[in-house]
Amino acid sequence: TQLLEQSPQFLSIQEGENLTVYCNSSSVFSSLQWYRQEPGEGPVLLVTVVTGGEVKKLKRLTFQFGDARKDSSLHITAAQPGDTGLYLCAGGGSYNTDKLIFGTGTRLQVFP
Amino acid sequence: ETGVTQTPRHLVMGMTNKKSLKCEQHLGHNAMYWYKQSAKKPLELMFVYSLEERVENNSVPSRFSPECPNSSHLFLHLHTLQPEDSALYLCASRSWGTATDTQYFGPGTRLTVL
Repeated sequence: TQLLEQSPQFLSIQEGENLTVYCNSSSVFSSLQWYRQEPGEGPVLLVTVVTGGEVKKLKRLTFQFGDARKDSSLHITAAQPGDTGLYLCAGGGSYNTDKLIFGTGTRLQVFP
Repeated sequence: ETGVTQTPRHLVMGMTNKKSLKCEQHLGHNAMYWYKQSAKKPLELMFVYSLEERVENNSVPSRFSPECPNSSHLFLHLHTLQPEDSALYLCASRSWGTATDTQYFGPGTRLTVL
C-alpha cells in the first residue's frame, strides 16, 4: 500500500517566520502535487512537480521533488496570515492511473 | 462559471432521508472523482469515473450510489446514511491520459447526518 506521510502535522508560527513541510514515502511517484485547503472549501492546487530533483517557485513558496521521486518539500519564506490552511501533498502513478495518493496533511496557522 | 462546482454546499439530513449531491465540471475533463474527507483522516477516494464509466469503487457501502450521466456531471445519491457518514464530500476532475494526473477539486458539500 502506498502511503504519504507529512510532517509536521500541525504548525503554529508568527508572521514573518520561515517554515518547511515534508512529504515522504517509500514508494516512487511519477508526479507530486501540493494543495492548500481552507476550512469548508475544497483543496486548491498550488503546484505539480514531475521530474526528480525539480524545484518550482511560486512567490514565497518553494517546492522540491526528491531526486528519487519518493519525497517532496514545501518551504514558505516570511509566512503571512493568508498562508494559513491545510497543506496536502498527493502522489500520482503513471498518467493512466486513476487515482492520487493523498498525504496526511499539515495544518498551518500563521498569527499576525 | 468555470472550474468544478458542487451543490448543495451544506446538507443536513436524517438517517431515513434520501438526498443527492451534484458535481459539475466546466474544464472539459473526462474523469471525475468522489472523495470523503473526515476530521483527522486523509482524503478517502470513494468512486472514479473515466469516460462516464465507473473504474473504481473503493469498498464504499451501498448506501452511497454514484451516477455519471455525462462527462460534465457527477452525482452521489445518499440513502439511509449513518451519523459517521457526516463529512465533507469533495468532487474532483481531471483529463485522463495527460502527462500529469493533477486533479481539480470543487468546494465540497458539508454533510451532517442526524
